[in-house]
Amino acid sequence: GEDVEQSLFLSVREGDSSVINCTYTDSSSTYLYWYKQEPGAGLQLLTYIFSNMDMKQDQRLTVLLNKKDKHLSLRIADTQTGDSAIYFCAGNFGNEKLTFGTGTRLTIIP
Amino acid sequence: DTEVTQTPKHLVMGMTNKKSLKCEQHMGHRAMYWYKQKAKKPPELMFVYSYEKLSINESVPSRFSPECPNSSLLNLHLHALQPEDSALYLCASSQAPQGGQVSYEQYFGPGTRLTVT
Repeated sequence: GEDVEQSLFLSVREGDSSVINCTYTDSSSTYLYWYKQEPGAGLQLLTYIFSNMDMKQDQRLTVLLNKKDKHLSLRIADTQTGDSAIYFCAGNFGNEKLTFGTGTRLTIIP
Repeated sequence: DTEVTQTPKHLVMGMTNKKSLKCEQHMGHRAMYWYKQKAKKPPELMFVYSYEKLSINESVPSRFSPECPNSSLLNLHLHALQPEDSALYLCASSQAPQGGQVSYEQYFGPGTRLTVT
């Protein structure tokens, strides 16, 4: 089955850039997604990238995809306290099911 | 509008109770999903409905019974649950597979926090 891995924790100073990484084993992905989950809340779709793209930028968010290395990253520029949350990468690996990564808890240091 | 709503927000039930979770979306999506999420873990898929028909059941115990009465509504009926079923239950919706594309982005509701005593 698909295996999607993320680092569990990331701490970043307010105003710096955050880079959250994700690796996957199955190369049959069509879309790859980044979701944000604040405490006690549901998942908010932040952005997604089609597998034939290598970069997508949306305001403070930049997604990079390296298909050869099966590596996905999310860069958040000018990180703010409101960015504190758990970030999940996810992908559709050849079917309609969404496989989630383990999640990265982002902590902002004032 | 990308809103998925879920009721109730919180639910406490005994092991002999029967209760239902409700989910609603008005985005015209024809695929709807139930997920279970334990603390500090990613969501786990339970059921998928596509065009109001159950298309995926991830070997979920029969004490969980999904229902899709129409294209906007999704219910999850609960009966004789166990304490280990306590979790956040998330509903999501997306466009349904069509024209050779099997997947679309999913939009999630805020979840129902379920506690089984």
